[in-house]
Amino acid sequence: DAGVIQSPRHEVTEMGQEVTLRCKPISGHDYLFWYRQTMMRGLELLIYFNNNVPIDDSGMPEDRFSAKMPNASFSTLKIQPSEPRDSAVYFCASMLGRGNQPQHFGDGTRLSIL
Amino acid sequence: AQKITQTQPGMFVQEKEAVTLDCTYDTSDQSYGLFWYKQPSSGEMIFLIYQGSYDEQNATEGRYSLNFQKARKSANLVISASQLGDSAMYFCAMREGGSNFGNEKLTFGTGTRLTIIP
Repeated sequence: DAGVIQSPRHEVTEMGQEVTLRCKPISGHDYLFWYRQTMMRGLELLIYFNNNVPIDDSGMPEDRFSAKMPNASFSTLKIQPSEPRDSAVYFCASMLGRGNQPQHFGDGTRLSIL
Repeated sequence: AQKITQTQPGMFVQEKEAVTLDCTYDTSDQSYGLFWYKQPSSGEMIFLIYQGSYDEQNATEGRYSLNFQKARKSANLVISASQLGDSAMYFCAMREGGSNFGNEKLTFGTGTRLTIIP
C-alpha cells in the first residue's frame, strides 16, 4: 500500500517567493495533519483536517501560511511570502479516525528559504 | 508545564543490549493514548507502538515494548536486543481526549537520540 506522499522532497527558494507543499494522504484516511519540525521548536502541529474540513489551525504561525484540502486525496500548505525563519522540515500525516489508530507520516519536505 | 517530557537527549548503547527510553506525560484526561515514533537520519517518522490509557497490558510489537506505569504517568519504550539499525531519534507523543478521543492532536516530546555502538 502506498504511504503518505509529499512533494517536493526538497525546496530551496529565495525570501519573498511563494512556496507550495503538497500531500497525498493514504487512501481511505479521513484525517490529515501538517507539522513543522525545527531544531529549536521540535515537532509542531500546524493544522489538521477531518473529511477535508479544517478542524484546528491554531498552530499556523501567521497569515502568511495557509492550507487547503480540496478533496480527500490532496492537500496543500502554502507560504506567501516566505521568510528565512520558515526554513524547516514540513511533514504531512494522515490517519484513519477509528479507535486508536496512529498517524502515518510522509517523508517530509525540507524547505530552505534563502 | 510540558505535556511530554523526554529527559534523555542522547543515549549510547552497546549492540545486542536492551535499552529503555524514558517518557513521562502530563494530562488530566482519563482517556488518552501514548505513541512512540522513530526518526532515522533519513528523516522519515515511523510509528512503532501504541498504548491506551485503559489498556491493562503493556503494549508489545516485536522487539519493542512499552513499560506503562499509569500512576507515575510514565510510558517508557523498551527495545530488546538492540541492533545498529535502531540508531535514530525516538519521539514519545500523546493524544488526549474523551471517548473516541474527539481531539486528534498529537503532542510530541523533544526526542531522544539513540546511538547503537557495534
